[in-house]
Amino acid sequence: DTAVSQTPKYLVTQMGNDKSIKCEQNLGHDTMYWYKQDSKKFLKIMFSYNNKELIINETVPNRFSPKSPDKAHLNLHINSLELGDSAVYFCASSRDENTGELFFGEGSRLTVL
Amino acid sequence: QKEVEQDPGPLSVPEGAIVSLNCTYSNSAFQYFMWYRQYSRKGPELLMYTYSSGNKEDGRFTAQVDKSSKYISLFIRDSQPSDSATYLCAIRGFSGGSNYKLTFGKGTLLTVNP
Repeated sequence: DTAVSQTPKYLVTQMGNDKSIKCEQNLGHDTMYWYKQDSKKFLKIMFSYNNKELIINETVPNRFSPKSPDKAHLNLHINSLELGDSAVYFCASSRDENTGELFFGEGSRLTVL
Repeated sequence: QKEVEQDPGPLSVPEGAIVSLNCTYSNSAFQYFMWYRQYSRKGPELLMYTYSSGNKEDGRFTAQVDKSSKYISLFIRDSQPSDSATYLCAIRGFSGGSNYKLTFGKGTLLTVNP
């Protein structure tokens, strides 16, 4: 039974389109995250939610909008996609916001053409 | 100066070798130190977690922290081909402080050759 699951695993789309990535965790964790991993494998935090409340909002273009309908779900919507948005997006969760033990999903590989 | 520096490698070693992976950090507010392992096309998974200076051992893996030098290391003894992965260090400060979010190094790609 997958702990942190993301869909879709792969997205290929044209510049200017809008896309969404969904994430769900069944670990009962309070905190969820979105990370972006670029082609050089650098993993950078984008957003974090704790019990559905936004607690980390890094310098990310406002074309990226996270939504947490409940503490088990954190979705990411991206408007007006650009070439530079091509990356692997990882969802993660943790017991609470104070721990460094994160559980990651398998990633969603976004390619913008 | 970047908050966390990690040599990206790649590092290629023969099976059975001792591997040393390292990170340096710049901010003494960082107090918690982690190593994550990421296999190709997978998400990172936590390997080791420590918050004090000194060594922590788990099987073939030893995490070492030197807060005075702001230097952390991961040693892998008797390395196996299954250890081939990217290893990322991750560091954070105390909760409530400005550095409490997890900051990752760029990762070191390790290949262990049979």
